[in-house]
Formats: sequence, structure tokens, C-alpha cells
Amino acid sequence: QSALTQPASVSGSPGQSITISCTGTSSDVGNYNLVSWYQQHPGKAPKLMIYEVSKRPSGVSNRFSGSKSGNTASLTISGLQAEDEAHYYCCSYAGSNTCVFGGGTKLTVL
Amino acid sequence: QVQLQESGPGLVKPSETLSLTCTVSGGSISTYYWIWIRQPPGKGLEWIGYIYNNGGTSYSPSLKSRITMSLDTSKNQFSLKLNSVTAADTAVYYCARAHPQNTFRGAFDIWGQGTMVTVSS
Repeated sequence: QSALTQPASVSGSPGQSITISCTGTSSDVGNYNLVSWYQQHPGKAPKLMIYEVSKRPSGVSNRFSGSKSGNTASLTISGLQAEDEAHYYCCSYAGSNTCVFGGGTKLTVL
Repeated sequence: QVQLQESGPGLVKPSETLSLTCTVSGGSISTYYWIWIRQPPGKGLEWIGYIYNNGGTSYSPSLKSRITMSLDTSKNQFSLKLNSVTAADTAVYYCARAHPQNTFRGAFDIWGQGTMVTVSS
């Protein structure tokens, strides 16, 4: 199992939209619609933002959306706000009751 | 409201066994998969494994040979043991709950605050 690939950093201005990619293989992202996304602020535990590619848990803003094409999943944040500045991690089911995380992306709101 | 709290030693000597417990409050430990995840300082998240309420487990292939997980339903707790630790096992260790209930689909909706474990002599 290798970690999923995410860009190290992305940035955007308030009000803009940004997309974070998460690339895996046909053994994980490409084979299952079971990708989740987490937001982590410094010193805090991660928070579930998206699960099963595009579902939002109760209480998560609809500015957060997820999608997948082939071996790459994406998280889009629209109407960027200062409080969205954080690290974001993707995670995919990888078969045999295991899962694998991405390396993480630091989002900077300019 | 379900809450998770990790507990255990913050310092473990090399070659010894790291032992952590996660206490579940505000809800039953039944009907869910319970997860351990770790994060080395300044690095990303790593999935360690899970235990289900019937005692079934699944572990990360890279850690499988050193991990044991257990469950105590009477205390609403689950535990992690990682043996033969090295400095590479230094990390914040999180316990978490899988979502939705009764299934493992790689999503984790409730997390503990995390506990820092340092491996050093």
C-alpha cells in the first residue's frame, strides 16, 4: 500500500473556489467509491468533511463538495473563507478491510 | 453526543510496547468499527487498523506484525498495543469511530483529541 498523492499546497483568495486532487491506483481510489476527506487545523483532530466520494456529513457546509474520475478524487471548496485555511487529507478504502491516506495538502487563504 | 478520549503513557522506551486505551462516552461501543490512526510530528495521517464489536480486527499491512487491538465492552473501551517500538513510532495517536455504523467504508466521523507518544530512552 502506498500513500495517495496530494499536492503539498494550494492557495486561493476569499470568495474563490479551489480544488485539491487525490491520486491513487486501480487498487484503491479507482476501484471503490469510498474516498473521504478530512480538514485538520493546527493542533486539532481531523474533521470528516466528505465521505463515499461526495456525501457530506450533517453540519458540513455545502461549500465543500467531492468528486472522482478514474484513479483521482477531488475536493472542491467554493466561496473560500479564512477559516477554511487548514490541512486537508484524503483517504480511500484499499480492499481487504484496509484504507490508505494521502500525504496531505496545506490550503492557504490569501 | 459520543466522545472519545485516548489515554496511556506519553513516553515509551525503544524496543518496548506502546499501550493506549480509548474510552467511548455518550454512546455504546456496540455496532461500530473502532479505529486507530497516528500522525508523526509535522507529517500526515497513517491508518493503523480497526476492531469491531465482535472482536474482529484488520491491521495496516506495514504494522500488522507488531499490533494487537482489543475491546472491553463492559468498560466501553478499546485498546492498541504496538510492540518493538522505535523512534519512527513517535506520533500523535488518535482513536476514531467508523462511519456509518456496522460497516467499514474508510470514513471516520468522530475522533479523540489525540495523545502524543514519544519513543525515547
